[in-house]
Amino acid sequence: EAGVVQSPRYKIIEKKQPVAFWCNPISGHNTLYWYLQNLGQGPELLIRYENEEAVDDSQLPKDRFSAERLKGVDSTLKIQPAELGDSAVYLCASSSGRGTPSTDTQYFGPGTRLTVL
Amino acid sequence: GNSVTQMEGPVTLSEEAFLTINCTYTATGYPSLFWYVQYPGEGLQLLLKATKADDKGSNKGFEATYRKETTSFHLEKGSVQVSDSAVYFCALNYGGSQGNLIFGKGTKLSVKP
Repeated sequence: EAGVVQSPRYKIIEKKQPVAFWCNPISGHNTLYWYLQNLGQGPELLIRYENEEAVDDSQLPKDRFSAERLKGVDSTLKIQPAELGDSAVYLCASSSGRGTPSTDTQYFGPGTRLTVL
Repeated sequence: GNSVTQMEGPVTLSEEAFLTINCTYTATGYPSLFWYVQYPGEGLQLLLKATKADDKGSNKGFEATYRKETTSFHLEKGSVQVSDSAVYFCALNYGGSQGNLIFGKGTKLSVKP
């Protein structure tokens, strides 16, 4: 079974440019998460989707970040415009959405490492 | 609020040494607890989990016991190998209707032959 797929793996852009990250979750997984991981830190949730609905986006900086999950499968996370402080690893995870929320195991993709110059 | 505190790294051990990585948590309610591992160049992988007090999670020789009285979930392995070199993250899921993970800062483990 294929895992969570993310692309690109690495991205280097200049500040004020736009950038987009793509995530394909594990087949059949209803719940999709985007996390931000700064260097030397643990991941922090940005947004969580149940199917195509964003059910928790309280940590997403909405002035420059946006996300979508059309048709409840793939998802795209966008930053426009990027700032120097956005340099980090952006992780996508998915879970089945079945069972209780506290026991529903999340499976992570390899991440996209963003460098903003 | 909900939080996870892990011991600072890096931790350097010789092969076959005993490993302990401390993790304590603060949470309302009854969270589930997890250990994730991140090997160089790879994504986070679930190592083990425990969903209620006194549960023991285990996998690949690693173990951790959910201790509600000490709010701890320490990771242990009796004999580490070079291939265990990675960053280890403790996390909690505060459940309810959210199901979101809160991670510690991670502990880097290096095992020398």
